[in-house]
Amino acid sequence: QQQVKQSPQSLIVQKGGISIINCAYENTAFDYFPWYQQFPGKGPALLIAIRPDVSEKKEGRFTISFNKSAKQFSLHIMDSQPGDSATYFCAANPRSSNTGKLIFGQGTTLQVKP
Amino acid sequence: EAGVAQSPRYKIIEKRQSVAFWCNPISGHATLYWYQQILGQGPKLLIQFQNNGVVDDSQLPKDRFSAERLKGVDSTLKIQPAKLEDSAVYLCASSFTGVGTDTQYFGPGTRLTVL
Repeated sequence: QQQVKQSPQSLIVQKGGISIINCAYENTAFDYFPWYQQFPGKGPALLIAIRPDVSEKKEGRFTISFNKSAKQFSLHIMDSQPGDSATYFCAANPRSSNTGKLIFGQGTTLQVKP
Repeated sequence: EAGVAQSPRYKIIEKRQSVAFWCNPISGHATLYWYQQILGQGPKLLIQFQNNGVVDDSQLPKDRFSAERLKGVDSTLKIQPAKLEDSAVYLCASSFTGVGTDTQYFGPGTRLTVL
């Protein structure tokens, strides 16, 4: 079954703190794992992405950690800012699909308090 | 560069009525996607077009949903007849090639409320 489970559903962090969002998948047929950020009234926008042959990818304050054996990956937001308050979705592309199809997690609503 | 355009932004209809959504992708993008995003959930792919051909419509409820992409550019998604459970945001996205690692650019979505 192709599914991506995301947690927590919501997260409140103080400004300057670290936000951590976790995702897990149930089969090994995924080979691309992007994270999308969505602000109210807007469509999702790509934040950062990783391939399974890499254990970590960092772009500015955003880092993806990938654990292939555990079938888990997580997003870390360092020095969280109020402007980071949004909904975050992890996603995965099924290798077998040969298409751009993305399976999304349920989303995490992040609130960063000033 | 202009982003993905969608219209209308909001639509309210009665159940059993029909509705249509329009999407104009980023210029030059061969691949167009329609996603359904129910409140509190992640987007779910309904259909993917490569130019004007369908690549994946496995999750499209074909008894009531239809989509077309004429001339490989604009696309229309139609629901006929609508049900209460169709209330959602319908997102259109486009990408340059359609391969798995290609970035998908999303439009602002159309929020549909079925009463």
